[in-house]
Amino acid sequence: AQSVAQPEDQVNVAEGNPLTVKCTYSVSGNPYLFWYVQYPNRGLQFLLKYITGDNLVKGSYGFEAEFNKSQTSFHLKKPSALVSDSALYFCAVRDMRNGNKLVFGAGTILRVKS
Amino acid sequence: DTEVTQTPKHLVMGMTNKKSLKCEQHMGHRAMYWYKQKAKKPPELMFVYSYEKLSINESVPSRFSPECPNSSLLNLHLHALQPEDSALYLCASSQPDSLYGYTFGSGTRLTVV
Repeated sequence: AQSVAQPEDQVNVAEGNPLTVKCTYSVSGNPYLFWYVQYPNRGLQFLLKYITGDNLVKGSYGFEAEFNKSQTSFHLKKPSALVSDSALYFCAVRDMRNGNKLVFGAGTILRVKS
Repeated sequence: DTEVTQTPKHLVMGMTNKKSLKCEQHMGHRAMYWYKQKAKKPPELMFVYSYEKLSINESVPSRFSPECPNSSLLNLHLHALQPEDSALYLCASSQPDSLYGYTFGSGTRLTVV
């Protein structure tokens, strides 16, 4: 089955510094990868996706992600973190071989301190 | 309209109660989903409806009963729940064969007492 892994439970970064939230994938065939963000007591908000094409994907709120096929990674990045970026971030993969389901990683809590 | 609307936002129910969660979208999506999410954990898929037919049931207990009356509406009927069923219930929608992600609602926070 297709899967994604988020190796860090929590990432701490100072406001204004660059941030990276890591995600690796295990996929047979072409990977269809996503990042979602969740603020407390809210649903998931779509940030960006990789379907095909450019390895650097730009998304909402200044976030971007770099698809790296050789390292099977899809790390989420932002050049300058804001306190308001503090939230729970999920990497996800579309499992085309199993009902086309969206399968999530365990999630990474991002804390940005001023 | 690019939203998925879920009602109610909060629900407290006893273990003998019957209640329903509702989800509505007007984006023309023909696949709708129910997820269960515990605090600080990833969402867990419960049910998938595709073209108004149940296509995936992830071995969910029968005390949860989904219903898709039409292409815009999705219900989750609850009966005889247990305290461990307390969670955030998320609805989502998409096109069934799309490579794109889902659009999620804000969820219903369910507490079973």
